[in-house]
Amino acid sequence: ETGVTQTPRHLVMGMTNKKSLKCEQHLGHNAMYWYKQSAKKPLELMFVYNFKEQTENNSVPSRFSPECPNSSHLFLHLHTLQPEDSALYLCASSQDRGIGEAFFGQGSRLTVV
Amino acid sequence: AQSVTQLGSHVSVSEGALVLLRCNYSSSVPPYLFWYVQYPNQGLQLLLKYTSAATLVKGINGFEAEFKKSETSFHLTKPSAHMSDAAEYFCAVSNFGNEKLTFGTGTRLTIIP
Repeated sequence: ETGVTQTPRHLVMGMTNKKSLKCEQHLGHNAMYWYKQSAKKPLELMFVYNFKEQTENNSVPSRFSPECPNSSHLFLHLHTLQPEDSALYLCASSQDRGIGEAFFGQGSRLTVV
Repeated sequence: AQSVTQLGSHVSVSEGALVLLRCNYSSSVPPYLFWYVQYPNQGLQLLLKYTSAATLVKGINGFEAEFKKSETSFHLTKPSAHMSDAAEYFCAVSNFGNEKLTFGTGTRLTIIP
């Protein structure tokens, strides 16, 4: 398997649920990213990890909790979400110290009910 | 600091007509520039990239873009639109020392039969 893989592709959860999104990359990259894409809004960069260390958190609410156990895997743990958190969540990876070219997964469509 | 401006959030062209999607960038150092395409409920796919080699860059699906430093532009073109080109297109910038991509707000391309 190659590229960036995200699971699940679709997720419906209640506001009191706890769920996780998973991202896996097979490109040998050292940087991984979570983006949020809401309807009629620009792409929002949420978190950046370089060599498993979080290097950027763009004021994301604590109900979103990222985890990066190694350079190939990235998780986004979700709990007590709000309906406005419904969006397409995109994972991406890139080569650290490269030109920044990012490779994206297919996204996880999250609906909070 | 770096930024990207995409003029026109929606562009419609007739099938077979020229496609022109505009992107202007701001960067304090020489930039790397990218165009990505996103089909509905999919991730972003790289169309082409400029990395300071040739100023006219050819990408996939017949698209090309020209880097014009004097105009700080990186417009995307395709000579003849096809129905399958209907999608959202994102311009992005990075540079050496700040490899994280900064995205524009996107342009939705509609093809009229």
